[in-house]
Amino acid sequence: DQQVKQNSPSLSVQEGRISILNCDYTNSMFDYFLWYKKYPAEGPTFLISISSIKDKNEDGRFTVFLNKSAKHLSLHIVPSQPGDSAVYFCAASVAGGEYNNNDMRFGAGTRLTVKP
Amino acid sequence: EAGVAQSPRYKIIEKRQSVAFWCNPISGHATLYWYQQILGQGPKLLIQFQNNGVVDDSQLPKDRFSAERLKGVDSTLKIQPAKLEDSAVYLCASSASGSSSYEQYFGPGTRLTVT
Repeated sequence: DQQVKQNSPSLSVQEGRISILNCDYTNSMFDYFLWYKKYPAEGPTFLISISSIKDKNEDGRFTVFLNKSAKHLSLHIVPSQPGDSAVYFCAASVAGGEYNNNDMRFGAGTRLTVKP
Repeated sequence: EAGVAQSPRYKIIEKRQSVAFWCNPISGHATLYWYQQILGQGPKLLIQFQNNGVVDDSQLPKDRFSAERLKGVDSTLKIQPAKLEDSAVYLCASSASGSSSYEQYFGPGTRLTVT
């Protein structure tokens, strides 16, 4: 069951422009959302997260927006740089306690290419 | 700070053979995860340990997959016997806590090819 969906397998943008990556989820129990970035032959690395009590979280060039009513989140990268070229995974989870199952689910990923 | 270590990096086996993967998490991290990432898909959680206890193994195919984390540090994931559909990258991750708000640090993964 695909509880987290990234419908765009790839995205290409020009350096300096905005990159917008989208993600939809179906499980209303999810209350914590994350974006991971992955380079070839490496494991994913954490990029940015947002709790369901917020609708926006910003960290430098990266901003995540959450629309709970639409069950939709997006990652904005401004300005985009060639080094941002990677696969971006959206993930959703239940923000449990230390001994809880956080039931993290990942989307299939979007490959971002930033052209110089 | 050393990252999550995994070995081997690559493994090719024939179907019905057995294989084991090893993971050494970041020192002090209580929570350890094993994920399976099939080509074109996102990582899928197989098992979550808190210290040496299992928190969640609901998506682990227990008829052929097993995992242990002795002494709450290193962990091994075993597949016996392997099937063609087990071809994937197996990722190990660790975090200071099982709560989602604690960042998961991933290792480079083991790429398994079953022929």
